[in-house]
Amino acid sequence: AQSVTQLDSQVPVFEEAPVELRCNYSSSVSVYLFWYVQYPNQGLQLLLKYLSGSTLVKGINGFEAEFNKSQTSFHLRKPSVHISDTAEYFCAVSERDSSYKLIFGSGTRLLVRP
Amino acid sequence: DGGITQSPKYLFRKEGQNVTLSCEQNLNHDAMYWYRQDPGQGLRLIYYSQIVNDFQKGDIAEGYSVSREKKESFPLTVTSAQKNPTAFYLCASTARGANVLTFGAGSRLTVL
Repeated sequence: AQSVTQLDSQVPVFEEAPVELRCNYSSSVSVYLFWYVQYPNQGLQLLLKYLSGSTLVKGINGFEAEFNKSQTSFHLRKPSVHISDTAEYFCAVSERDSSYKLIFGSGTRLLVRP
Repeated sequence: DGGITQSPKYLFRKEGQNVTLSCEQNLNHDAMYWYRQDPGQGLRLIYYSQIVNDFQKGDIAEGYSVSREKKESFPLTVTSAQKNPTAFYLCASTARGANVLTFGAGSRLTVL
């Protein structure tokens, strides 16, 4: 069975500093990987996705993530964060032959301080 | 603009009452989903439907029911059998063969 682990429940960081949000997954088959962002009392919106090809994926708002198959990781990074990046970030995985069913991690709250 | 509309945004309910959350999409998406979100637990799948008049249980379907009579609509009923219904409920949809979910803004249910 698939699972997703986000090791950090909250990550505080100062404005303009770099940040990495960690995500590890478990699956016995090939997967698709996603990062979604959720602002307070709103739905989720897609930041970026890995389906195939280059393991470095670039998304919206300056975020990027790298798929590492040997370490089963898909960490999210941004070189310089803004106050407006304060939000909850969710990593998600789906199996390639049942891509309609996403499994979400527990989320990481990114708190950007001035 | 196309999107997903969830209503109501906030809902209060007394114990023992059923309540229905609405989800409507104008994206012409085939598949629709209901997720429950609790603090620190991420999103858990309640029910999903890949075509009209068909739906499947997700990981936490007990105490919930759904219907899919129209492609655009996928209402969720939280029944009195759901022991801990206070949560944030998210509806999502996706096109056939696609793998990216589009989410609604959510409905927050509080049981008093």
